[in-house]
Amino acid sequence: GDSVTQTEGQVALSEEDFLTIHCNYSASGYPTLFWYVQYPGEGPQLLFRASRDKEKGSSRGFEATYDKGTTSFHLRKASVQESDSAVYYCALSADSNYQLIWGSGTKLIIKP
Amino acid sequence: DPKIIQKPKYLVAVTGSEKILICEQYLGHNAMYWYRQSAKKPLEFMFSYSYQKLMDNQTASSRFQPQSSKKNHLDLQITALKPDDSATYFCASSGTGGVYEQYFGPGTRLTVL
Repeated sequence: GDSVTQTEGQVALSEEDFLTIHCNYSASGYPTLFWYVQYPGEGPQLLFRASRDKEKGSSRGFEATYDKGTTSFHLRKASVQESDSAVYYCALSADSNYQLIWGSGTKLIIKP
Repeated sequence: DPKIIQKPKYLVAVTGSEKILICEQYLGHNAMYWYRQSAKKPLEFMFSYSYQKLMDNQTASSRFQPQSSKKNHLDLQITALKPDDSATYFCASSGTGGVYEQYFGPGTRLTVL
């Protein structure tokens, strides 16, 4: 079946550090890929999505590029801020199926 | 105005009791979902409904029963509560017929003593 793998359970960085959170997927067909962010005490909310190979999604300084060759959709940000502290989820929606398959989430901690 | 309402925000129950978690969405969506998130654990998909019909159930226990009385409502009844049921329960909704993002409610935090 379809799956999403996030290898980092937690990432700890200092302000202005570069962020990478890895996301790899396995799916038949051509899935749409999503990044969601969940702030403490809230439900997840969409950061952005991408539907085609080489398409870049971006929002709030975060970006990820759909790479069908490596089946990846890694999240990156050039300079993190304390306000970016949250849990980040990668997810996919397979062709003709509007349900989402979720990764296990990565908690981003910004060290003071 | 909130687009997805979950009630109550906090809920404390005793072991063995029964509770109903309320979810209403005002986004005009035809698909609704329930997720569970235990402390320090990732999001866990429970149910999906489309046009008030059950589409997918990933919850092993029959103690969890969704109830859809109206198109924009999907409540979650939990019977014979156990301490392990303590978690935050999120309701979500989306469009159908294609690929749509899911919108989440603020959650109901359930504590079972």
